[in-house]
Amino acid sequence: EVQLVESGGDLEQPGGSLRLSCAASGFTFSSSEMNWVRQAPGKGLEWISYIKTGDGTTHYADSVKGRFTISRDNAKNSLYLQMNSLRAEDTAVYYCARGGWFADWGQGTLVTVSS
Amino acid sequence: QSALTQPASVSGSPGQSITISCTGTSSDVGRYNYVSWYQQHPGKAPKLMICDVTNRPSGVSNRFSGSKSGNTASLTISGLRTEDEADYYCSSYTISNTPIFGGGTKVTVL
Repeated sequence: EVQLVESGGDLEQPGGSLRLSCAASGFTFSSSEMNWVRQAPGKGLEWISYIKTGDGTTHYADSVKGRFTISRDNAKNSLYLQMNSLRAEDTAVYYCARGGWFADWGQGTLVTVSS
Repeated sequence: QSALTQPASVSGSPGQSITISCTGTSSDVGRYNYVSWYQQHPGKAPKLMICDVTNRPSGVSNRFSGSKSGNTASLTISGLRTEDEADYYCSSYTISNTPIFGGGTKVTVL
């Protein structure tokens, strides 16, 4: 059974940093493209980043480019999102999702940016 | 890039069929057969219902079907049930090599 478990969400002040983690199990993590998708309170889904297998190519949504960094540790079956220069509009539930189809999702971790 | 366009809400009675549209452009929905649909119940993570326009993952009811014409994709739910009441999102691959979601549609079972 595929399991994705996010952690690291917290209350952070504007301009601060957080690092999210996603622990994966039940599939071959090293062979899977992985994504971060967020959902602001009462709003829709927003894709924010993915990281491919192999050369680890990454892409980011314009809303987070230059502030967020996605990475993976295949030895630890883990996905990460380093979030810097946080803004109020980054407040959301952050999900990790597997594959180009977002076939599997974690339960999400809440990030709140507020002073 | 702007989100794909979905109706804010769609409703139907039990047993009826409803269709949710997802309108993009020639740079996303119209260009690629990489349209997916997700169901999200309140407080829960999204669940993949349709991928590659028409394909149902294992375990998804055959009451859910997808199609596409030009720049618009559609999700049809047949034999509507109370448990189908949820938010539904479409997604498409884009010419920018990134995915994009629709704004979401709230389905209400009357």
